Amino acid sequence: AQSVTQLGSHVSVSEGALVLLRCNYSSSVPPYLFWYVQYPNQGLQLLLKYTTGATLVKGINGFEAEFKKSETSFHLTKPSAHMSDAAEYFCAVSNNQGGKLIFGQGTELSVKP
Amino acid sequence: EPEVTQTPSHQVTQMGQEVILRCVPISNHLYFYWYRQILGQKVEFLVSFYNNEISEKSEIFDDQFSVERPDGSNFTLKIRSTKLEDSAMYFCASRAPLAGGENEQYFGPGTRLTVT
Repeated sequence: AQSVTQLGSHVSVSEGALVLLRCNYSSSVPPYLFWYVQYPNQGLQLLLKYTTGATLVKGINGFEAEFKKSETSFHLTKPSAHMSDAAEYFCAVSNNQGGKLIFGQGTELSVKP
Repeated sequence: EPEVTQTPSHQVTQMGQEVILRCVPISNHLYFYWYRQILGQKVEFLVSFYNNEISEKSEIFDDQFSVERPDGSNFTLKIRSTKLEDSAMYFCASRAPLAGGENEQYFGPGTRLTVT
């Protein structure tokens, strides 16, 4: 079975500070990993994904994540937070291309001026 | 940019009533999904659908739930006799065929179902 754990249900950073949202996964097969963002009253939007190949993945809005198999982690980072980054962020895992997504519980990111 | 749409945005119903949640996937997509999120909990997979049949379903998706693609554009989730615990945000998602490495699921904005 697969599972995802996101450490911290709420993270608060100052504008311009580093954003680090943590995600650890459990999977018995090579995982496909995703980060989604949800703005208020909107659907889930894909930020980035890891399938195979390069372990450092770049996504939209300046976000990136690194797949670390030895640590079973897929943490999301952004060097400098912007007010518009305030949203809920979900890490998800799948066991095949296009299969069902198993989500973490989400992390709400707040950005202080 | 094409997007998945869902109607209604908010549905209030009484316990025991039937509800139908509607989704219009992106037009060239062939794989369809329903997920739900109970307030304060994780987004959970309910069912996936391809070629007019269910590909996979979770334990949540019991006999009270059904899905249908009644025409070439809509994808619906029906709950026959709603319970209080069915109150949640329901998300529809769709995906194109895998050719070319495309495996992203595109999500709709959700329907908030409130059962009273």
